[in-house]
Amino acid sequence: EAQVTQNPRYLITVTGKKLTVTCSQNMNHEYMSWYRQDPGLGLRQIYYSMNVEVTDKGDVPEGYKVSRKEKRNFPLILESPSPNQTSLYFCASSLSRLYEQYFGPGTRLTVT
Amino acid sequence: KQEVTQIPAALSVPEGENLVLNCSFTDSAIYNLQWFRQDPGKGLTSLLLIQSSQREQTSGRLNASLDKSSGRSTLYIAASQPGDSATYLCAVRGMDSSYKLIFGSGTRLLVRP
Repeated sequence: EAQVTQNPRYLITVTGKKLTVTCSQNMNHEYMSWYRQDPGLGLRQIYYSMNVEVTDKGDVPEGYKVSRKEKRNFPLILESPSPNQTSLYFCASSLSRLYEQYFGPGTRLTVT
Repeated sequence: KQEVTQIPAALSVPEGENLVLNCSFTDSAIYNLQWFRQDPGKGLTSLLLIQSSQREQTSGRLNASLDKSSGRSTLYIAASQPGDSATYLCAVRGMDSSYKLIFGSGTRLLVRP
């Protein structure tokens, strides 16, 4: 089954404790992206990747890092999480600009 | 800067009704527009994708139209069912290099039995 998977689905952590949210797709998509969803602000892009080893900032990249060492994986790294990074995070992938984006199930992160 | 607006923010209808959800965007320079459904606490399910050169797309009881020149799209749901209750989001993909989707704030739909 074609899908985008994320882990963990739920995470509660404390300020400053490094964490990684994994994202994997099995559709051989070149493009992958991370979004966060916040009440009143909607979905906003954090980082994106056009292909292996090619990443760039989205609209809200501060406090996040990403890497793309393999085509199928695109982890989101929070080196020193802060409470303002409490949010619902989505990973997405697409074959190209002309094709639909598929979204993962989301990761609900709470930073206390 | 592209802005996407969805009206109404919430809608409650009795089962069986046909309904229309609206989406407007400020910059007509788009590659395509995608409609999603989001159930509470869940991910986004893609419903329809309309390329900028297309006027409409259909999938089952859903029909989406696109008028790029006026910056508007509509999602038509025929014979609504309680299982259609969810938040519906539209998103446009612009011409910039990021490929990002710019989302509207969504319409929360409740279909009453």
